[in-house]
Amino acid sequence: GNSVTQMEGPVTLSEEAFLTINCTYTATGYPSLFWYVQYPGEGLQLLLKATKADDKGSNKGFEATYRKETTSFHLEKGSVQVSDSAVYFCALRRSDSWGKLQFGAGTQVVVTP
Amino acid sequence: IAGITQAPTSQILAAGRRMTLRCTQDMRHNAMYWYRQDLGLGLRLIHYSNTAGTTGKGEVPDGYSVSRANTDDFPLTLASAVPSQTSVYFCASSERGNENYGYTFGSGTRLTVV
Repeated sequence: GNSVTQMEGPVTLSEEAFLTINCTYTATGYPSLFWYVQYPGEGLQLLLKATKADDKGSNKGFEATYRKETTSFHLEKGSVQVSDSAVYFCALRRSDSWGKLQFGAGTQVVVTP
Repeated sequence: IAGITQAPTSQILAAGRRMTLRCTQDMRHNAMYWYRQDLGLGLRLIHYSNTAGTTGKGEVPDGYSVSRANTDDFPLTLASAVPSQTSVYFCASSERGNENYGYTFGSGTRLTVV
C-alpha cells in the first residue's frame, strides 16, 4: 500500500539556519507529492507541490524536488525565520485515488531567535 | 471569505453521547473529506465524498458516519462517542479533477471524550 515517512521531530533550529525535512514515500504508479504546513491552532495549508518526477515545487523560500529514483521529496529552506515554526506534513496522492491524500506523521519545527 | 467553516471549535463530550461535527464550504468544491489528527500519526482519513449524494470510507471509518445531502455541507457524526475518538478533526475540500491544486482545510474541531 501507499505510505509516507517523515523524519521525526521536533527539529529545533536557530534563526537563519538551513532546514531540511526528509520525506520518502511508497506508492505504485506516479503519485503527486505535497508539503503542507500547520501553524499553531490552525488548519493545514498547502505549501508546495510537484506532480511529476524531477519537478521542483517552491513557495515562501521553501523548495522540494520530486526524486523518483530515491522516492523522496525532501523539504528545504536556506534561512529559516521564527515565523517558520510550525508542523510540516508530507503527503502523496496516487493518480487513481480519486483525490485522496495520504499524509506523513508530521515534523514539528521550532525556530529560536 | 471563501473557505471551510467547522463547528464547534472545541467540545468536551461524555462517553456514549452522540455528537455531530459540522462542516460547510462556500467554494462549490465537489469533493470533501474528514480527517482526524493524532500526535505521531499525522492525519488519517475517516470518510470522504466525491460529490453530493455519495460517500466513501477512508482509513479509520469505524464509529463515524457522514452524509452529503448537498454540495456545501458534510457533517460527521459520532453515534456513541468513546475516549479513543479524542482527537482534532479536520474537514477539507478539493475540486474534482484539480486535486493537484491541493485541499482547503478548515480550522479544526478539538474533541475530548471523557
